[in-house]
Amino acid sequence: DTGVSQDPRHKITKRGQNVTFRCDPISEHNRLYWYRQTLGQGPEFLTYFQNEAQLEKSRLLSDRFSAERPKGSFSTLEIQRTEQGDSAMYLCASSSRLEALETQYFGPGTRLLVL
Amino acid sequence: DAKTTQPNSMESNEEEPVHLPCNHSTISGTDYIHWYRQLPSQGPEYVIHGLTSNVNNRMASLAIAEDRKSSTLILHRATLRDAAVYYCILRVTSGTYKYIFGTGTRLKVLA
Repeated sequence: DTGVSQDPRHKITKRGQNVTFRCDPISEHNRLYWYRQTLGQGPEFLTYFQNEAQLEKSRLLSDRFSAERPKGSFSTLEIQRTEQGDSAMYLCASSSRLEALETQYFGPGTRLLVL
Repeated sequence: DAKTTQPNSMESNEEEPVHLPCNHSTISGTDYIHWYRQLPSQGPEYVIHGLTSNVNNRMASLAIAEDRKSSTLILHRATLRDAAVYYCILRVTSGTYKYIFGTGTRLKVLA
């Protein structure tokens, strides 16, 4: 068990560019979550997957954001036409339905800076 | 959405116990209380959770008020490595799997 991994750890981009982040959950965890965290705030929920199905989306997830989990394993989060307000830490977490209360285990995050 | 309230910051001396409070007056009967902590430049890390009874694990203890409207995370002997932001979360057990984080308590440990 190597934990949740995220790639890249840091991304700097210019306003208007598209960016894509990847999350690899803990092996055999069927649920995967994306959160966003801005400076000084707690993480805010964006979306979650059960296997490959996206079951819940926050209204924070504007139409410029899209998330996928095509084979029920890794997930990608894409932001199109980035804006300076998208600068944040993007956190991924995973959980297993076989574990009591499905405790979420978080990755180290991808820090995005939009110039 | 279920909401928690925590002090913005607390300080403790190294090797002393720390009591981190959390108010959750809107908690419903099936909500679990979870605590996570976030070290600088890392993702949140699970600490402990409970429903009604007090709980202990290798990291901490969780004391839950009888009416469940508040709880306290107890670090028995704070170390410099415990300096982090501590989040108290109400884990809703039906309808959604998301966590709702507040702004947490920033714990500073003094050597």
